[in-house]
Amino acid sequence: NAGVTQTPKFQVLKTGQSMTLQCAQDMNHEYMSWYRQDPGMGLRLIHYSVGAGITDQGEVPNGYNVSRSTTEDFPLRLLSAAPSQTSVYFCASSPGQGLYEQYFGPGTRLTVT
Amino acid sequence: QKEVEQDPGPLSVPEGAIVSLNCTYSNSAFQYFMWYRQYSRKGPELLMYTYSSGNKEDGRFTAQVDKSSKYISLFIRDSQPSDSATYLCAMRVQGAQKLVFGQGTRLTINP
Repeated sequence: NAGVTQTPKFQVLKTGQSMTLQCAQDMNHEYMSWYRQDPGMGLRLIHYSVGAGITDQGEVPNGYNVSRSTTEDFPLRLLSAAPSQTSVYFCASSPGQGLYEQYFGPGTRLTVT
Repeated sequence: QKEVEQDPGPLSVPEGAIVSLNCTYSNSAFQYFMWYRQYSRKGPELLMYTYSSGNKEDGRFTAQVDKSSKYISLFIRDSQPSDSATYLCAMRVQGAQKLVFGQGTRLTINP
């Protein structure tokens, strides 16, 4: 049982490039979410999904797209990277929709130059 | 004004001390309150979870919620160097599908 896995661990992009951050969980959790963590800002919700085929926006969705075609996977796409998207990105999953406990992945450190 | 405010610290205390970590919030509809612990360069992990007001104890950790004051606390007794981490509070409105996190407090326990 690997829990929540994220790839890559580190990434450097140039402004304007696009990329996909991968997230997968093997716990059959319905709820999955993406956060970004910046110094002094805590964790901010980007997008979330309550099940396959269902996604919704969080607090800071601009510049990011998501889709959920399977229960296991929830990729985050950066459409045209900007330096303001330099951050640490965490994927999380939760059984059901009560959010009583979220399991976080190890994070992806992204730098946009 | 942020919905959830948390002093970012850093907070440094000697081993064995009692640590008090706090968050204030503005949304009176929050019903679920959580504390997450995050070690350096790792993802957060759930430490404590409470519903509505009151206290909850788990070993050396006690979570308190005072809804009248919109104030939550996490107490760590007999603090250990292994407790050194960033502690994040999080809250949720009943029925909502989002958590709102505080900024996190960086804590160091000195041997």
